[in-house]
Amino acid sequence: LAKTTQPISMDSYEGQEVNITCSHNNIATNDYITWYQQFPSQGPRFIIQGYKTKVTNEVASLFIPADRKSSTLSLPRVSLSDTAVYYCLVGAYTGFQKLVFGTGTRLLVSP
Amino acid sequence: DGGITQSPKYLFRKEGQNVTLSCEQNLNHDAMYWYRQDPGQGLRLIYYSQIVNDFQKGDIAEGYSVSREKKESFPLTVTSAQKNPTAFYLCASSIQDESSYEQYFGPGTRLTVT
Repeated sequence: LAKTTQPISMDSYEGQEVNITCSHNNIATNDYITWYQQFPSQGPRFIIQGYKTKVTNEVASLFIPADRKSSTLSLPRVSLSDTAVYYCLVGAYTGFQKLVFGTGTRLLVSP
Repeated sequence: DGGITQSPKYLFRKEGQNVTLSCEQNLNHDAMYWYRQDPGQGLRLIYYSQIVNDFQKGDIAEGYSVSREKKESFPLTVTSAQKNPTAFYLCASSIQDESSYEQYFGPGTRLTVT
């Protein structure tokens, strides 16, 4: 499974766009990139998933360059409620969904 | 509302006792999972089940046991053999799809063993 590296923490202010970059240099051809959000004492929540180029949903955008060795989760106009830990996961389906969580990026949004 | 329920939210046990954590889902998902999370860490997979009456060990199965007698239910037993059982336990479910990595998580059970 590809190892991921992401910043331990980030700070932002309400209304700003936040970009969290994840490095996955040894990503395999079959690997997908997935991002989850977790609030304290709650289960993680799926945000977005992509394989290449750009994916956008109502919550976030995911940018993946052509070499796929990194990815950037973009959160537009964050609010205080976006304060959470964000996990970047990389992996392929091997008969089941194996999600490998690192320690994530702790995002703090201030007023 | 469809979702995953875990009970109880907080659980306290004495060392040497087995304890069973409940997980129920009404999403009609075939696959279910149990994870453990320690403070400041990511989640680690304990067990998973892709179909009723079948389950597989994850990365840290020692000291745990599960059953999957019904599609909706996937209880986890933390046995006295688990050396460090105090943790936050999360149950999840998903469809079986090669191109989807979306798992739906329950609210978790925080287990404290003293």
